[in-house]
Amino acid sequence: DTGVSQDPRHKITKRGQNVTFRCDPISEHNRLYWYRQTLGQGPEFLTYFQNEAQLEKSRLLSDRFSAERPKGSFSTLEIQRTEQGDSAMYLCASSLGTGLYGYTFGSGTRLTVV
Amino acid sequence: KNEVEQSPQNLTAQEGEFITINCSYSVGISALHWLQQHPGGGIVSLFMLSSGKKKHGRLIATINIQEKHSSLHITASHPRDSAVYICAVLNSGGGADGLTFGKGTHLIIQP
Repeated sequence: DTGVSQDPRHKITKRGQNVTFRCDPISEHNRLYWYRQTLGQGPEFLTYFQNEAQLEKSRLLSDRFSAERPKGSFSTLEIQRTEQGDSAMYLCASSLGTGLYGYTFGSGTRLTVV
Repeated sequence: KNEVEQSPQNLTAQEGEFITINCSYSVGISALHWLQQHPGGGIVSLFMLSSGKKKHGRLIATINIQEKHSSLHITASHPRDSAVYICAVLNSGGGADGLTFGKGTHLIIQP
């Protein structure tokens, strides 16, 4: 297992365009988390899945954001009608259960909206 | 007030110096993580601890549950230790949102 993979690493898009990011977690991990990190700040929770069920969404996740984990394996995060304020690092992490055995993070997708 | 506070926010030191980064939190926790983030963005988990002390190479992490405080120490610091160090807590309330993060400490070790 190569850890948590995120694709793409970098994305530059024009305001108003839609973007989709992908996260492949560690295969044995049933929980998958999405976080957003802006410059100089710590990561902030967006949403998480247990298997294929999306169990929690932050109020940061506006209607323009949608996340899926269709088969309980990889996950996608889509942002529709991107705005400049969406520019950030989008991090994915996975864990086995509640995370008491630790979390594994991906390298992140850096989004720049111009 | 943030649930997780780190200090200092920025730290510049000379190679070889002993480094201490502090983390205070205001909630009950199941575990505390120390994470390292390099400029490329990826986060690496350094330690997860719920009591006492852990050591890995030149890194030492301690936690005092009663005082709700943890420290990360780096001995014989090296320029390759330059990174952002983030403290994150797993709430004991079983919060579904995973970890709550501090803002990070930006460490620069000069040769």
